[in-house]
Amino acid sequence: ENLVESGGALVQAGGSLRLSCETSGVVFGAYWMSWVRQAPGTGLEWVADIRKDGTEAHYAASVMGRFTISRDNARNSLFLQMTSLRAEDTGVYFCVRDAVPWDTATHFNLWGQGTQVTVSS
Amino acid sequence: DIVLTQSPRFLAVSVGERATISCKSSQRVSRSPNHQDSLAWYQVKPGHPPKLLVYWASTRELGVPERFSGSGSGTDFTLTINGLQAEDVAMYYCLQYYSPPRAFGQGTKVEV
Repeated sequence: ENLVESGGALVQAGGSLRLSCETSGVVFGAYWMSWVRQAPGTGLEWVADIRKDGTEAHYAASVMGRFTISRDNARNSLFLQMTSLRAEDTGVYFCVRDAVPWDTATHFNLWGQGTQVTVSS
Repeated sequence: DIVLTQSPRFLAVSVGERATISCKSSQRVSRSPNHQDSLAWYQVKPGHPPKLLVYWASTRELGVPERFSGSGSGTDFTLTINGLQAEDVAMYYCLQYYSPPRAFGQGTKVEV
């Protein structure tokens, strides 16, 4: 089971970025998926999640209206479209899978290695 | 939204001693019908993704040493490390998954 993020880059404030997460060895379509970030010197922040069939998504208040989470179960892939980026969005972004294939969200038990997003002001 | 408050934010413990971290939730996180508490604990070391230690407040993840234990219910939860080892130096976070948006506590840095 493997999650591999990509798409992180250095971008100017106000710009956009699209992160991707490819999965292998995982029954992708059975699980809620999330993005979690860690800014330098600060803690973990849950960013967004999406239901296994893509019909429901939730966002942290800090990214609401700017970020969009989506998934393609046929391609076993998760995405995060980020717009109107701010300096405080800088950090490592992790693709994360729920531990249990339930209809409701559970804890996380599978993490990617993360991709670095840097927003310059 | 549920807010998790961890304390202390920094903890220095001698090797072999006990470390205790508190996580208080602004709302109850107990799920029906079995009243399981939707709270997990993670360990984070620099350069590594978070590692799951405990879920459902007190269930230890497979492979996690027995010195790590979770307890509590309702709104008050605790992660205890009995007999701290040098390799336990890390940040520790609680996570609630009871209701969206999910949320982490601010983290506790444990040092020897």
